[in-house]
Amino acid sequence: GAVVSQHPSRVICKSGTSVKIECRSLDFQATTMFWYRQFPKQSLMLMATSNEGSKATYEQGVEKDKFLINHASLTLSTLTVTSAHPEDSSFYICSARDRAGGPDTQYFGPGTRLTVL
Amino acid sequence: GQQLNQSPQSMFIQEGEDVSMNCTSSSIFNTWLWYKQDPGEGPVLLIALYKAGELTSNGRLTAQFGITRKDSFLNISASIPSDVGIYFCAGQLKSNYQLIWGAGTKLIIKP
Repeated sequence: GAVVSQHPSRVICKSGTSVKIECRSLDFQATTMFWYRQFPKQSLMLMATSNEGSKATYEQGVEKDKFLINHASLTLSTLTVTSAHPEDSSFYICSARDRAGGPDTQYFGPGTRLTVL
Repeated sequence: GQQLNQSPQSMFIQEGEDVSMNCTSSSIFNTWLWYKQDPGEGPVLLIALYKAGELTSNGRLTAQFGITRKDSFLNISASIPSDVGIYFCAGQLKSNYQLIWGAGTKLIIKP
């Protein structure tokens, strides 16, 4: 149980295009999902907290118009990197909070490697 | 801001040795979590701790939630090659469920 998937796992795009990354909780409902960015050899950096049915809360320094987050259902959140540039190249990871039937725990997706040319 | 100090930064050990790593914080957390991350993958939850003083095992892994709620350790007994990877501690805030992360401990097993 407690499986989180991400799609795509890898994406290469041209500068100026937009890229959508999906995060799904496969066997539980996630009212809260988190989006992280990870640079090589570093820890995870929280970008935003996504609550189902409401606007995402962005961390300081993260542009909400650049990184659009939609959490339309209890099992799906999407992150869209708009007008991507090479500096947006990174490893993007989502996590989902499972609160039903037990202690509060976060489970992570496998990550999406974004390369902007 | 809140920070977690995780040590050591890296460990070079022989197969079969025991491993110990820890995290300390200036803040109190309600939950401590330990994750392992392999290259190109997302973190995988190893152990979750919810009560101060709690000692929890998962196979060869044992972790404890410090009494002060400001620290936690993870032990791995009889290490094997598949234990290599980066281990992260994370403290969870009850207010918004955000995770505060340690910098990671890279475990390398010498052949």
